[in-house]
Amino acid sequence: TQLLEQSPQFLSIQEGENLTVYCNSSSVFSSLQWYRQEPGEGPVLLVTVVTGGEVKKLKRLTFQFGDARKDSSLHITAAQPGDTGLYLCAVGWGATNKLIFGTGTLLAVQP
Amino acid sequence: SAVISQKPSRDICQRGTSLTIQCQVDSQVTMMFWYRQQPGQSLTLIATANQGSEATYESGFVIDKFPISRPNLTFSTLTVSNMSPEDSSIYLCSVSGSLYEQYFGPGTRLTVT
Repeated sequence: TQLLEQSPQFLSIQEGENLTVYCNSSSVFSSLQWYRQEPGEGPVLLVTVVTGGEVKKLKRLTFQFGDARKDSSLHITAAQPGDTGLYLCAVGWGATNKLIFGTGTLLAVQP
Repeated sequence: SAVISQKPSRDICQRGTSLTIQCQVDSQVTMMFWYRQQPGQSLTLIATANQGSEATYESGFVIDKFPISRPNLTFSTLTVSNMSPEDSSIYLCSVSGSLYEQYFGPGTRLTVT
């Protein structure tokens, strides 16, 4: 079983639509990150959330950390083709700060 | 943040051969990490490389198959040994920042025929 389950796995939408991606776990985390990866590149950090209930905004992207720090969501308003990519949630684990990634959500925004 | 480069960016290799992937960072870092990723899928951690000590491998990955070197604080290599088509994947290195955040190289796309 995966530590971090993301849903949906795939999402294809039209430009201008809104969407939400979910990252769920049964474990409690001290912090959680969201990354976006475009084809041919490595993942790029979007945000880190650390406080239960925390909401962070990055332009049209809104990130929320669950009150119990077990889950998180990413909401994109008025999606654009440039938002296309693989979205990954991740949590740090252990003394070496290794990252455990979620199952991933592949987003395609059609113009 | 850190700027990370990887060589080669892609390669096509024959079954049974080995490939060494290089990872260079523009600053000194303690921990470097190696991941494997199937296109369009999530990342799986192969090992953690700490300068001056043996790499720590995750379950399912062994040193004989994926030997790692970490000769200094800005460089690491990952070798994929005795390759089979199942090793076809994207291999990425990363370094840690603060609060578990990591910065990634662009990846090496490996195809084994």
